Amino acid sequence: DAKTTQPPSMDCAEGRAANLPCNHSTISGNEYVYWYRQIHSQGPQYIIHGLKNNETNEMASLIITEDRKSSTLILPHATLRDTAVYYCIVRVFDQTGANNLFFGTGTRLTVIP
Amino acid sequence: NAGVTQTPKFQVLKTGQSMTLQCAQDMNHEYMSWYRQDPGMGLRLIHYSVGAGITDQGEVPNGYNVSRSTTEDFPLRLLSAAPSQTSVYFCASSHLQGNSPLHFGNGTRLTVT
Repeated sequence: DAKTTQPPSMDCAEGRAANLPCNHSTISGNEYVYWYRQIHSQGPQYIIHGLKNNETNEMASLIITEDRKSSTLILPHATLRDTAVYYCIVRVFDQTGANNLFFGTGTRLTVIP
Repeated sequence: NAGVTQTPKFQVLKTGQSMTLQCAQDMNHEYMSWYRQDPGMGLRLIHYSVGAGITDQGEVPNGYNVSRSTTEDFPLRLLSAAPSQTSVYFCASSHLQGNSPLHFGNGTRLTVT
């Protein structure tokens, strides 16, 4: 699976959009981009995933560049509860179905009042 | 719906002791896995299973055993605890089909003295 590069930390003002970048320049054509977050040492929580089209759900939006070498997770109106470590992960869904994910060190997002 | 349940939440062991970390899920997920998380690091995969009776090693399997006798349960055994196994342990589960998101438990914090 391709590796990812994320900034170690970011700040965002409460109520503003949080834009978290991720670089995955070695991504292959069948690898998906996933985002998870971990709030204060709880178990990680799934946010969103995509292959090449932009995706949106009730939590966030995922913007993937046309060459798929980078992506941005957007939290449209950050709240204090969004303070967490955000992990960007790329992987291919293999034939066994094993959902093994490689977690890097992620981006620590701090939402400031 | 309880999701993924891990017990105990906290545990202190002496070097050489054995114990089992319990993990149960009630979502009929075929895939289950164990991760460990050390301070300042991302999660690392220990063992995983794609169904009852099937287990395989992840990135850091040494010192740990697993079995999968039922779909619901995936215990992690430490046969002879070492200080290097001091960590937070997370269990996760998902369906095998498609890009099913991983569901995580809230972790077991283990200290080996």
